[in-house]
Amino acid sequence: QVQLMQSGAEVKKPGASVKVSCKASGYTFTTYVIYWVRQAPGQRLEWMGRINGGNGDTTYSQNFQGRITITRDTSATTAYMDLSSLKSEDTAVYYCARDLFTRGSMGYWGQGTLVTVSS
Amino acid sequence: QSVLTQPPSASGTPGQRVTISCSGSSSNIGSNTVNWYQQLPGTAPKLLMYSDNKRPSGVPDRFSGSKSGTSASLAITGLQSEDEADYYCAAWDDSLNGPVFGGGTKLTVL
Repeated sequence: QVQLMQSGAEVKKPGASVKVSCKASGYTFTTYVIYWVRQAPGQRLEWMGRINGGNGDTTYSQNFQGRITITRDTSATTAYMDLSSLKSEDTAVYYCARDLFTRGSMGYWGQGTLVTVSS
Repeated sequence: QSVLTQPPSASGTPGQRVTISCSGSSSNIGSNTVNWYQQLPGTAPKLLMYSDNKRPSGVPDRFSGSKSGTSASLAITGLQSEDEADYYCAAWDDSLNGPVFGGGTKLTVL
């Protein structure tokens, strides 16, 4: 069965960077796009960016341009999301997700990674 | 930033029918299909509906979706206590070149 397993919680200081991993299993990694979505406390889900598991092409939300880098390692079937210049407002649960059938229909989600930014 | 608009809360008694609305624009709902997610406290969202009105395997047929123009809605019939959750609509946005989400509707079963 399809599974997305994320790395554990992180605590970072303002200005630092964080790298969250998403280990995929149960399907052909190179066939699907992986999305990164975050949810700040009490806030809506927010799309951050995506990576094509096959050719590595990335697209980022303008809200994170210049601060976000998404990469993947096909041999490890793992996607990574790197967010730099962290601010307190970046405190959130970060999710990776995969489409079920149609573009944007995220039918598989990781368990989420809590990133806390605090001095 | 393009976003979708949902009512912050909805409620109903067991067995009732409730609907949750979602309003967007021509760059998202008006030109792409709508997905709905259910999120229980402390858990990842679960895809409830895709392509406006299709249910993934395992989602009860008590849940249905519809879309007209730049608006969509999710209907739940025969409301049950386990339906108490946050519900989010989402659609691809052509301007953003990515998905946009609604603010979420907290459904309370009275």
